[in-house]
Amino acid sequence: ETGVTQTPRHLVMGMTNKKSLKCEQHLGHNAMYWYKQSAKKPLELMFVYSLEERVENNSVPSRFSPECPNSSHLFLHLHTLQPEDSALYLCASSQELGQGGNQPQHFGDGTRLSIL
Amino acid sequence: SQQGEEDPQALSIQEGENATMNCSYKTSINNLQWYRQNSGRGLVHLILIRSNEREKHSGRLRVTLDTSKKSSSLLITASRAADTASYFCATDQAGTALIFGKGTTLSVSS
Repeated sequence: ETGVTQTPRHLVMGMTNKKSLKCEQHLGHNAMYWYKQSAKKPLELMFVYSLEERVENNSVPSRFSPECPNSSHLFLHLHTLQPEDSALYLCASSQELGQGGNQPQHFGDGTRLSIL
Repeated sequence: SQQGEEDPQALSIQEGENATMNCSYKTSINNLQWYRQNSGRGLVHLILIRSNEREKHSGRLRVTLDTSKKSSSLLITASRAADTASYFCATDQAGTALIFGKGTTLSVSS
């Protein structure tokens, strides 16, 4: 039980498909994050939102498009993905935007994405 | 860029034994966090330790921080099979990001 819900849990898509990942947090937090977790690699931060405004975008390819319509919901829109994009995509939230790593983050269980 | 790096990469112990994992980092930090990830699940926050703290406890967990050596350790006492998971340290960098290491995979057998 995490308070952060991600759907779907598993997604298989072709390289030409368009799909969206959804994240919802029930914790009343103001900051939300998207991470990519690939095998044998450290967790990669993709996007950061604070009060629905994007505050960080870590050189993520444009085939990933985030959307934060309100402080409880975060989406990751996917289109024309590559096989190397297969990974576990994790959403997280924190009470406030972290300064100096002072905010614990609460994670969802992720979406396991496979690109055919 | 990777900030924290855990050691060892993998650790196998018997139930009841203690497990110690280490994290080293490169640049000065304000805070350091430890997380656990069970297979197929998201990360769970365990402990946050500030740069002016040397030791922190939470149940069977004990975290130490040595800023002079740029290292931290996570000790799990009296391990249980349920402690089987990957453990990550995370440190801050300029701005809002947490930088995670590759993790230590702990296996506790009964």
